[in-house]
Amino acid sequence: KAGVTQTPRYLIKTRGQQVTLSCSPISGHRSVSWYQQTPGQGLQFLFEYFSETQRNKGNFPGRFSGRQFSNSRSEMNVSTLELGDSALYLCASSLDTNSYNEQFFGPGTRLTVL
Amino acid sequence: GENVEQHPSTLSVQEGDSAVIKCTYSDSASNYFPWYKQELGKGPQLIIDIRSNVGEKKDQRIAVTLNKTAKHFSLHITETQPEDSAVYFCAASIGGGGADGLTFGKGTHLIIQP
Repeated sequence: KAGVTQTPRYLIKTRGQQVTLSCSPISGHRSVSWYQQTPGQGLQFLFEYFSETQRNKGNFPGRFSGRQFSNSRSEMNVSTLELGDSALYLCASSLDTNSYNEQFFGPGTRLTVL
Repeated sequence: GENVEQHPSTLSVQEGDSAVIKCTYSDSASNYFPWYKQELGKGPQLIIDIRSNVGEKKDQRIAVTLNKTAKHFSLHITETQPEDSAVYFCAASIGGGGADGLTFGKGTHLIIQP
């Protein structure tokens, strides 16, 4: 079974631009979560989607948004990029949000903002 | 919200020795505690998890203990091998970490000395 895939793997943008990252969950998984990983703050929860609905959102500004499609694939968007948005963005998928299902992480998208 | 503290930040042990990583959490409602291993260039991978109705869980060389009263949990790795070298993260959540998100510790860089 294929794992979680994220595209692109690496991205370089400049301040003020916007970016869209993509995540394809494991087949059959309906829950997709996004995390930001930085050396200073570690791994932080951005938001979670289940059946195309955002169920929860972490403590991030409104510049960070996401969506989920009917095939469970998800995208996250960051508008008006700031230098501090440079990070590894990780996507994780799981079967169901209502039980203790293992979350499987993708390899991440490394975003560099110049 | 939940806060997870993880110690030590770096741990160096001789191959064959044991390694112990400790975490504390703040929210008594948390009831799911996974441990992840992250290797360079990869996303975190679940290595073991424990739920609040269990005090200890073991899987081959890896074990996790949970003390709900003291709100701390620990990862124990016995007979360490070079391939155990990686960054380890503890996490806590209410439920399986899907909709509620996982709150991560800052990570422990485990170095196995040959």
